[in-house]
Amino acid sequence: NAGVMQNPRHLVRRRGQEARLRCSPMKGHSHVYWYRQLPEEGLKFMVYLQKENIIDESGMPKERFSAEFPKEGPSILRIQQVVRGDSAAYFCASSLMDRGGQPQHFGDGTRLSIL
Amino acid sequence: QKEVEQNSGPLSVPEGAIASLNCTYSDRGSQSFFWYRQYSGKSPELIMFIYSNGDKEDGRFTAQLNKASQYVSLLIRDSQPSDSATYLCAADQYTGTASKLTFGTGTRLQVTL
Repeated sequence: NAGVMQNPRHLVRRRGQEARLRCSPMKGHSHVYWYRQLPEEGLKFMVYLQKENIIDESGMPKERFSAEFPKEGPSILRIQQVVRGDSAAYFCASSLMDRGGQPQHFGDGTRLSIL
Repeated sequence: QKEVEQNSGPLSVPEGAIASLNCTYSDRGSQSFFWYRQYSGKSPELIMFIYSNGDKEDGRFTAQLNKASQYVSLLIRDSQPSDSATYLCAADQYTGTASKLTFGTGTRLQVTL
């Protein structure tokens, strides 16, 4: 499957635990974006990464959230000390180039539920 | 606040009719626009993208862009029940170093038999 791969598809955590969400971009794509979709709301940009670099994290909450895209392996979105309000669908997208207008292709998402 | 606005719907059209979905955006700097389809509980699927003023056709879908009016639309001809989904409009805010999409909240389309 050459599409954007995310795992896990569903993740349940208790308040205070850590959540780690993984994303492997489409084959040949080196630009990764994370978006969050709250229930009944639109997709909100969180962060844009290239290999080993965070390019734009303007949509990421300042505390508890971090993202990385190492030289080897998938991109990781990490949420520390989760709270109920973190319950959402987290989508990863990838694109071929970083110039404007490049279509972003989405993975199936991770549905995070906080108990 | 740079925004993309869509009517949430639902927009109900009979099978075989033309569905017209509309979107306005506030950032005049946006140059590229995308339409995604999202079925309930699923991921957004790219339908069309448009950069230039005018119409762009792909099969049953036509995207229309009017930068002067800051208006984007998607027409779906010969609507099918399988087209029933939420349609998300997105504007690309490219800063010169980074590209990120600003999404509308989506319009729910219902195609009735």
